[in-house]
Amino acid sequence: QLQMQESGPGLVKPSETLSLTCTVSGGSISSSTFYWAWIRQPPGQGLEWVASISYTGTTYSTPSLKNRVTMSVDTSKMKFFLSLNSVTAADTAVYYCARQSSVGTNTNFDYWGQGTLVTVSS
Amino acid sequence: DIQMTQSPSSLSASVGDRVTIACRASQSISNFLNWYQQKPGTAPKLLISAASSLHSGVPSRFSGSGSGTDFTLTITSLQPEDFATYYCQQSYSTHVTFGPGTKVDFK
Repeated sequence: QLQMQESGPGLVKPSETLSLTCTVSGGSISSSTFYWAWIRQPPGQGLEWVASISYTGTTYSTPSLKNRVTMSVDTSKMKFFLSLNSVTAADTAVYYCARQSSVGTNTNFDYWGQGTLVTVSS
Repeated sequence: DIQMTQSPSSLSASVGDRVTIACRASQSISNFLNWYQQKPGTAPKLLISAASSLHSGVPSRFSGSGSGTDFTLTITSLQPEDFATYYCQQSYSTHVTFGPGTKVDFK
């Protein structure tokens, strides 16, 4: 059974960089069938897809965050990473990592981590 | 970006009720539509993919339908564990987007 676990600081100061790690276990991260994604949820609000990465390092991100987001992957360690720079209070959210699976040409998020709350505050 | 809307934003129901949640896309997305269930303090769970395919392990009381711009999630007989928030999500665009959610609570 695939498991995913987010880790990283729970508090980040405004204008600094938010950095999170997702560790994958119980399966392979090196498959062309999957992308690996970050999705966030501000307190009391809905879900927002942030970005996705393939095991080869191909990335794409939501347009509103594109200039501030970097993703990377370390297949040997079964980890992928999110970096979001110049954060503001609006970036305060629970950040989930998830597996993005292709079923035909439809993609969905079929495995999720438990989520980690990141608060942006001085 | 493709905008997703859901209606209603919340509803109150009783155990055994039939519940229907609507999701609409701002443009045609074929059947590139998924549904998720989220309970407080937990990660979302995939219920239905490609508009109508039940995800592994999901009870058959859940069903999805629709194509193009209009989609529906139906729960035929609401169970106590079904009280949650439900989100639709489109994957027609590389930039996936979610609906705002529909909260189902006790009447």
